[in-house]
Amino acid sequence: EIVMTQSPDTVSVSPGERATLTCRASESVSDRLAWYQQKPGQAPRLLLYGASTRATGLPARFSGSGSGTEFTLTISSLQSEDFAVYYCQQYKSWPPAFGQGTKVEI
Amino acid sequence: EVQLVESGGGLVQPGGSLRLSCAASGFTFSGYEMNWIRQAPGKGLEWLSYISTDATTVYYSDSAKGRFTTSRDNAKNLVFLQMNSLRAEDTAIYYCARDGDLSPYTSWGQGTLVTVSS
Repeated sequence: EIVMTQSPDTVSVSPGERATLTCRASESVSDRLAWYQQKPGQAPRLLLYGASTRATGLPARFSGSGSGTEFTLTISSLQSEDFAVYYCQQYKSWPPAFGQGTKVEI
Repeated sequence: EVQLVESGGGLVQPGGSLRLSCAASGFTFSGYEMNWIRQAPGKGLEWLSYISTDATTVYYSDSAKGRFTTSRDNAKNLVFLQMNSLRAEDTAIYYCARDGDLSPYTSWGQGTLVTVSS
């Protein structure tokens, strides 16, 4: 089964700065990669799918790139509401698998 | 508006059973696959189970296989997770999520907390 690994575990960023999160798959998942955001006490929310397609209503400051085994989520100018935990997930093959998460903190 | 509302969580002793429900509204439930995903306290997300639109196909993770059973009632817009032989490590928030036959999860419920403890 495919193992997803995210780095770093925590990234400290100031509001207005850029944050870059990385997700690696143990084997190719093509572009079958999604990113989710989870705030404390809330359910995860789908941000991007197909590695780079933004979910409806997602601000353009969120962007995704990559294919195969290496993927990146970039938040170009962090807003206060973006401080959260971000998870990647592969849906190329069963079982679907999540990374361990990256916490974006102030 | 898509809504998923889980219920049935609570405190259960090790070895006990619990049945979770997820009530769906705001979309044609019978046309969507459903999943159960859990999150242990302070930990990441773990996919548990998938059920097809007509319930003819059900998949489980290794941790769920043999102890958990997923079913659905399309007439009542409900999906269920029957959990047996519960262990302390099953303590988690359990989410139902829409879609997912190898596709992203577009909608999530708010989750229901299951605590396995004596």
